[in-house]
Amino acid sequence: DAGVTQSPTHLIKTRGQHVTLRCSPISGHKSVSWYQQVLGQGPQFIFQYYEKEERGRGNFPDRFSARQFPNYSSELNVNALLLGDSALYLCASSSTGAGNTIYFGEGSWLTVV
Amino acid sequence: DAKTTQPPSMDCAEGRAANLPCNHSTISGNEYVYWYRQIHSQGPQYIIHGLKNNETNEMASLIITEDRKSSTLILPHATLRDTAVYYCIVRAPQGGSEKLVFGKGTKLTVNP
Repeated sequence: DAGVTQSPTHLIKTRGQHVTLRCSPISGHKSVSWYQQVLGQGPQFIFQYYEKEERGRGNFPDRFSARQFPNYSSELNVNALLLGDSALYLCASSSTGAGNTIYFGEGSWLTVV
Repeated sequence: DAKTTQPPSMDCAEGRAANLPCNHSTISGNEYVYWYRQIHSQGPQYIIHGLKNNETNEMASLIITEDRKSSTLILPHATLRDTAVYYCIVRAPQGGSEKLVFGKGTKLTVNP
């Protein structure tokens, strides 16, 4: 079975531009979360979506938004890109239930110049 | 903030057991202990998790103390490919939240 898949794997954007990152969860998983990992730090939680509804939001500005589609895939959108948005963006998926396992994709590397 | 404390780095000889400690003294009764690892430039890889009892799978063993205030991840026969940053995470199964709070982890280096 395919794991969590993310696209694109690498991209370069200019300050002020907009970016859309995409994620397909593991088949059967209805929950998708997004994380940002800047160089040298652990991943930081941005959003969680379950059944197309936002279940959690981290401490990120309103420039960051996300949505989940009926097939449970998800998009992360970042507007008005700043140099500090350069990071590895990770998507994770899981089934529901206490003690469930959360699986991560390989991430999308975003460089803002 | 992360609810766990881990040593910043550890070394291990190839073929020997790697024992990675984690302190989580404020853990609550319904919180699980999860371990992930991250090899440079890749997404975090799930290793193992547990609530109270010790757990073992094909990758590792997780030993949780009786008071649940600390745990140890054991890689029984470390290889060079086990060199990675290992994260210990405490997570509460609350309201469907899937949030994981990562700390700085332990950088494990396996030496030939």
